[in-house]
Amino acid sequence: GAVVSQHPSRVICKSGTSVKIECRSLDFQATTMFWYRQFPKKSLMLMATSNEGSKATYEQGVEKDKFLINHASLTLSTLTVTSAHPEDSSFYICSAGQGPGQPQHFGDGTRLSIL
Amino acid sequence: KQEVTQIPAALSVPEGENLVLNCSFTDSAIYNLQWFRQDPGKGLTSLLLIQSSQREQTSGRLNASLDKSSGRSTLYIAASQPGDSATYLCAVMPGEYGNKLVFGAGTILRVKS
Repeated sequence: GAVVSQHPSRVICKSGTSVKIECRSLDFQATTMFWYRQFPKKSLMLMATSNEGSKATYEQGVEKDKFLINHASLTLSTLTVTSAHPEDSSFYICSAGQGPGQPQHFGDGTRLSIL
Repeated sequence: KQEVTQIPAALSVPEGENLVLNCSFTDSAIYNLQWFRQDPGKGLTSLLLIQSSQREQTSGRLNASLDKSSGRSTLYIAASQPGDSATYLCAVMPGEYGNKLVFGAGTILRVKS
C-alpha cells in the first residue's frame, strides 16, 4: 500500500519551456503533498507544502511564480516549472502524507534537464 | 532551526560486515525519525520509522535506534550485502511543524563483493 506515482520520470527540454510534473497517490487520500528538490550528491530540500484545496506554502527562497503548485484533489498535486532555465535542472521528488505526524510516501522523482 | 547531520558521508565495506550509520539532530522536539534508502536516480524507500516515544525499530537485518534527548539515531545493518549499496538518508519530523521532514545529507554506502 501507500504508493505514490510521479510522472514523468525524465524531461529534457529547451530553455524557456514550462514543464509540468504530476504526483499522484494511488491507493490513499493525501491531505498534504510535498515537493522537494535534490542537487547532485546533496540531500532533499523542501520547496513547498500543499494542502488539498488551498494555496501552497513555499519555503524561504523558493520563487512562487517560478514553481507553481496545484493540489486540486486528494490524490493529485502538480508542480509546474515556468519558463525553465538551465539552473532549474535538478531532480524533483514529491511525497504525500495523510496528516500531521503521519509518514510521507515518496514518488520515484523526475529528472529535469533544461538545455 | 532543526538541522540534521549524518556521519560518515561515505562508507565502503566488504560484504558480510556489520555496520553503523549515524544521524544527529539539533532539536529534540520531534514527532518521529525516519531512515530512507535512495538508489541512484531514484526516489526514496522508507526503511524504518521510529516514533518519538520509541527507542528502536527492527526490520530484517536493519535496526534503528533513537535517543531523542541526546539528538541521535543509529542505523545498524547486519551482515551487509552488495545489494545494500545505496545512499541512506535520515529525516526528522519536527514537532512544531507537524508534518514536514528535515533531511540529513545522507551516507553513501558501498558494499564490496
